[in-house]
Amino acid sequence: EDQVTQSPEALRLQEGESSSLNCSYTVSGLRGLFWYRQDPGKGPEFLFTLYSAGEEKEKERLKATLTKKESFLHITAPKPEDSATYLCAVQAINSGNTPLVFGKGTRLSVIA
Amino acid sequence: GAVVSQHPSWVICKSGTSVKIECRSLDFQATTMFWYRQFPKQSLMLMATSNEGSKATYEQGVEKDKFLINHASLTLSTLTVTSAHPEDSSFYICSADPYEQYFGPGTRLTVT
Repeated sequence: EDQVTQSPEALRLQEGESSSLNCSYTVSGLRGLFWYRQDPGKGPEFLFTLYSAGEEKEKERLKATLTKKESFLHITAPKPEDSATYLCAVQAINSGNTPLVFGKGTRLSVIA
Repeated sequence: GAVVSQHPSWVICKSGTSVKIECRSLDFQATTMFWYRQFPKQSLMLMATSNEGSKATYEQGVEKDKFLINHASLTLSTLTVTSAHPEDSSFYICSADPYEQYFGPGTRLTVT
């Protein structure tokens, strides 16, 4: 069974204090690992997709990396507007479209 | 990126009535759409996979007669919650997958 575990469950940072969020996964065959940002009362906002171990992607203060067992979302010098829940999900290889399996998320709070 | 819309964004209904939620892909065609529900401070749980022109595939534990899904065109899928009860109150989110999954803004359903 495909599974995603995110840690920590919640993280509180001072503005400018860099940190990393972890996403550990088990999947029968990985098509892609996804990172989303979700604000309260809104749908998830797509951030990154990683397809193979060693791959890295960056967007502003965020950088996502991937190994065969886990992914990290590094946040450099965060700002209060980065406060949100960050969701990690995996999609298994299949002949057709397959749904995502989500972790429970990390609730990030950045304090000014 | 691809845009997915949902309507309505929120709805309040009385127990025993039915509610229809629409999910549209605005700038791409989607043969497959996914429906998720999310309870407060919980992650997204897949309810069903909606396939254009064929029957939806429901996850274990999701009542197909209660949550009716219709995917009549390549840009529209609908979820109808029939005979709604207070325990059906939740945040319903759809996603569509041209290459990577993009999510709608969600629909908040409150059953009184």
